[in-house]
Parts: sequence; structure tokens; C-alpha cells
Amino acid sequence: DIQMTQSPSSLSASVGDRVTITCRASQTISSYLNWYQQKPGKAPKLLIYATSSLQSGVPSRFSGSESGTDFTLTISSLQPEDFATYYCQQSYSTPWTFGQGTKVEIK
Amino acid sequence: QVQLVQSGSELKKPGASVKVSCKASGYTFTNYALNWVRQAPGQGLEWMGWINTNTGNPTYAQGFTGRFVFSLDTSVTTAYLQISSLKPEDTAVYYCARVVPAAISIYYYYGMDVWGQGTTVTVSS
Repeated sequence: DIQMTQSPSSLSASVGDRVTITCRASQTISSYLNWYQQKPGKAPKLLIYATSSLQSGVPSRFSGSESGTDFTLTISSLQPEDFATYYCQQSYSTPWTFGQGTKVEIK
Repeated sequence: QVQLVQSGSELKKPGASVKVSCKASGYTFTNYALNWVRQAPGQGLEWMGWINTNTGNPTYAQGFTGRFVFSLDTSVTTAYLQISSLKPEDTAVYYCARVVPAAISIYYYYGMDVWGQGTTVTVSS
């Protein structure tokens, strides 16, 4: 199985900050990497698919990139509604696997 | 609008069975596969497997074989997750999620773009 390792597991940031979350795959996954946002008590929401393609309706302050087996989710200017937990997920091969999550909290 | 609506919370005793439903609307049910995802209390997301809504063929992740069954009733555009011989460690929120293919260049990429609201299954004596 492909292991997805996210870092950090949590972070504190202020509104307006630039935030970066990293996800490392245990082997090559090409660009088969998705990012989800989950708020407490809610279902996850797809933000980015195929590493860098923005899902319809997702604000442009969210972006994704890759370097080899390292993938990055960037929020350019953190907004109050962005405080949530973020998960990466690979769809390169089954079983699909998720990172352990990064909780973004208010500083 | 496109949506997946799941059945309500369940409280079960160890050894019992539960069947969670996931009703799709707003799109052609058989055009998109469905995933099942588990989230234990305070934990992350875990992919359980998927079901081909054209053929009804299920695929289970390791750890979800034997007691877990994915099924469909296409006449009512509904998918089901049945768990038998429930254990306390099955306590979790279970989500269904639509698999969407995105064509980029010559490749197809897959994500989960529509999720059910989740069904909480609590197993306790």
C-alpha cells in the first residue's frame, strides 16, 4: 500500500497568513493526488484534484503543486472559513490512501 | 442538485448487523462509481473500497473483507453498506462518496466530489 505522510499534523495561523501543508508519498503516484477540507461534524470537501486542478467553486487562494513524491497545498491568504482539517489522498492505485490530516487552527 | 443522502444514526449491540443506505439524486447513478470511507472518532479518513455502479461489482480494502458488504439497488439509485457481527471498534462515521473522473491530457484522474452527510454507527453493549 502507498503511505501518505502529511506534515505538520497541526498548525496555528492568523487570518491573512500564507499556509503550506505538505504530503509525501511512499512511492511515485504521478499526479494522482487530491486534497480535501473537512470541518467538524461535516463531510470532507474536494478542493484540488490531480495535484493542482481546482475543483469547481473552490476559491483561487487554494493551490497545489508537486515535486517528485512531495505534494504541497498552499492557502495564499488564510480566511476565517479556512480553519479546518486538510487531508491529502492518492488515487494512483488501490487501496486509495489518505494522509493523517493537518488541523489548521486560529492563532 | 447532485447529492448523496445517507440514512440516520444507528446504535447497535456487539454481534448485531447494520445496513447503511446512500441515496443518489441529480445525476445518472450508473455513470459514477461510489466509494465508502470510514472515520473513527477523532481519527482520520480510511478508504474502505468501492462499488462499480454499472456492474455492482464491489472491491474491498484490506481490513474490510468478510463482515463488510457493498451492494446496490439501481431501481432506487441507492447504495448500501452492510456490516455484520459488529464490534465496538466498528464505531465510526461512514461516508459514501461519488468518484468523479477528470480528463487531463490523455489521462484520467479520480477524486471524490460529492459526499453523503455521513452515518454514525455506534456499537456498544
